[in-house]
Amino acid sequence: NFMLTQPHSVSESPGKTVTISCTRSSGSIASNYVQWYQQRPGSSPTTVIYEDNQRPSGVPDRFSGSIDSSSNSASLTISGLKTEDEADYYCQSYDSSILWVFGGGTKLTVL
Amino acid sequence: QVQLVESGGGLVKPGGSLRLSCAASGFTFSDYYMSWIRQAPGKGLEWVSYISSSGSTIYYADSVKGRFTISRDNAKNSLYLQMNSLRAEDTAVYYCARGVVAASYWFDPWGQGTLVTVSS
Repeated sequence: NFMLTQPHSVSESPGKTVTISCTRSSGSIASNYVQWYQQRPGSSPTTVIYEDNQRPSGVPDRFSGSIDSSSNSASLTISGLKTEDEADYYCQSYDSSILWVFGGGTKLTVL
Repeated sequence: QVQLVESGGGLVKPGGSLRLSCAASGFTFSDYYMSWIRQAPGKGLEWVSYISSSGSTIYYADSVKGRFTISRDNAKNSLYLQMNSLRAEDTAVYYCARGVVAASYWFDPWGQGTLVTVSS
């Protein structure tokens, strides 16, 4: 079994770039794909990245995903930050033994 | 367009029961696996239960195993969650979500959620 650990919060200014990490506690981050969901206040989650680095249609290319085996983590990078990007972001992975696991979520503040 | 609409939430006493429903539209419901995912107030997301497209395979999180029952009616395009022996820690917004099967397993879209409050 493994857990996904995210920073509780990050903040950055409009127009800047921010990266949110998601660290896997055991096993290789590359073993199972990682998804990222955005949850704006009062709304349900929506997918911004799937399968490590794929963007659903309609998601701006300011959003990108990657994995880093050296730190055993996945990352969500948002460039050209806009105030509308202010939200909670959750990473998620699937494993056949523990099924679906979510990170604890990261609150992004754009100030 | 694809839509998921949950209903059935409300206030219930500890030990009580509640049945959630999720009405699906805009896609062929019987082609997709479905899940319930919950979010306690101010907390993160927790996967609760899975049901395969035919309903033949079901999984539960350990936290609800033996107390919750997931089911579906493909003829009615509906997903259900029967919740028994409810506890205060079951208080959450419950989302139904459509499963995606590609190179991985994830959820898209999600419903708007229904709030379940367990309190005396």
